[in-house]
Amino acid sequence: SSELTQDPAVSVALGQTVRITCQGDILRTYYASWYQQKPGQAPLLLIYGQNNRPSGIPDRFSGSRSGNTASLNITGAQAEDEADYYCNSRDNNGNHYVLFGGGTKLTVL
Amino acid sequence: QLQLQESGPGLVKPSETLSLTCTVSGASISSTSHYWAWIRQSPGEALEWIGSVFYGGNAYYNPSLKSRVTLSVDTSKNQFSLWLSSVTAADTAVYFCARRAYSGTYVSFDLWGQGSLVTVSS
Repeated sequence: SSELTQDPAVSVALGQTVRITCQGDILRTYYASWYQQKPGQAPLLLIYGQNNRPSGIPDRFSGSRSGNTASLNITGAQAEDEADYYCNSRDNNGNHYVLFGGGTKLTVL
Repeated sequence: QLQLQESGPGLVKPSETLSLTCTVSGASISSTSHYWAWIRQSPGEALEWIGSVFYGGNAYYNPSLKSRVTLSVDTSKNQFSLWLSSVTAADTAVYFCARRAYSGTYVSFDLWGQGSLVTVSS
């Protein structure tokens, strides 16, 4: 079956730009969605589809895709962006199966 | 206000069946544009999709859990439910219910419950 691979940890200096990546062959066909999760909270949808943000999500969050890699970009990282970030996508076994990446812990220095 | 709320026992004995219900408020579970899903997260681990169900009853399960999972929908109560049988300590996790938007090109869960911690222990 398909897998989605994320780096376990990434750090960024306050105010700088960071890219969090998600790799998987399925991403050549389907878009990734991205979620932010803070301790003790439910995940929050940040990006879906080609590069869509739900209402209320700051525009410093953006998404992109190249080949088998999807990226979440944070432009001008803020202290409150320190969190775990997960990607997800469909599985190639069918329209309804779902995959999640292993998550990336973002530290804002 | 649009929200999801999980409910159910916080403690389940090994080999028994875990059952949780998600109550949907502010939206109809009979939406033709959404699936309703369960996702879990073991302590310190990543998110794991358990399964999704459509209001008409069609359900899709994670292959790794398929033999033990059943999802159902009660449109009269605007609720959907999860049953996970033969639980072990490995099933200890926070269980989230979520709404999935239907799309041919992506999967996104745009609304989540707060999560319900279920511990499997005797």
